[in-house]
Amino acid sequence: NAGVMQNPRHLVRRRGQEARLRCSPMKGHSHVYWYRQLPEEGLKFMVYLQKENIIDESGMPKERFSAEFPKEGPSILRIQQVVRGDSAAYFCASSPQSTDEQYFGPGTRLTVT
Amino acid sequence: AQTVTQSQPEMSVQEAETVTLSCTYDTSENNYYLFWYKQPPSRQMILVIRQEAYKQQNATENRFSVNFQKAAKSFSLKISDSQLGDTAMYFCAFIKIFTGNQFYFGTGTSLTVIP
Repeated sequence: NAGVMQNPRHLVRRRGQEARLRCSPMKGHSHVYWYRQLPEEGLKFMVYLQKENIIDESGMPKERFSAEFPKEGPSILRIQQVVRGDSAAYFCASSPQSTDEQYFGPGTRLTVT
Repeated sequence: AQTVTQSQPEMSVQEAETVTLSCTYDTSENNYYLFWYKQPPSRQMILVIRQEAYKQQNATENRFSVNFQKAAKSFSLKISDSQLGDTAMYFCAFIKIFTGNQFYFGTGTSLTVIP
């Protein structure tokens, strides 16, 4: 059973561009979570999704950030008009049930120049 | 609100020795899980150990064990016979049972195992 997959592993964007981060959960997992890790900090929750639904987006910045988990395909975290402060590692996790252990992907390191 | 505090930003230990990493948390919940995750330089988050709050017995996983003090809201990680591969950031995390959907992480402890 393949683990949680994220791509790309590294992404470089210029200020003002869009960043798209992809997450494929583990097989059989229908719950996906996105976390952001700023340098020297722990992971901070951003959003929790199930297929075609956003369940909790309380950690998501109000502007420029959006997430989706379509019926088919990976979950996407989109950041529009990136700024330098968006530079961070973005981790995706998945679980079979909402309160089960979450399995983390390897992360996408976003660098905004 | 839930908070997780790790008061030791950095620690070091001699190879083969024992080290304890501290974690305290604050919650009004009675049912929850606690975790320790390891993040090596590869940045992959790796589960080290898990504790259910309703269990009094401390969890153990090979060289890793916890000291869970529910009343004190303390959850420390003990690593015995430290190995070079244990060098990593260690994060304590909390999740509510039944109503939880997000982990709350501490800020991490950077552990260096010295040969």
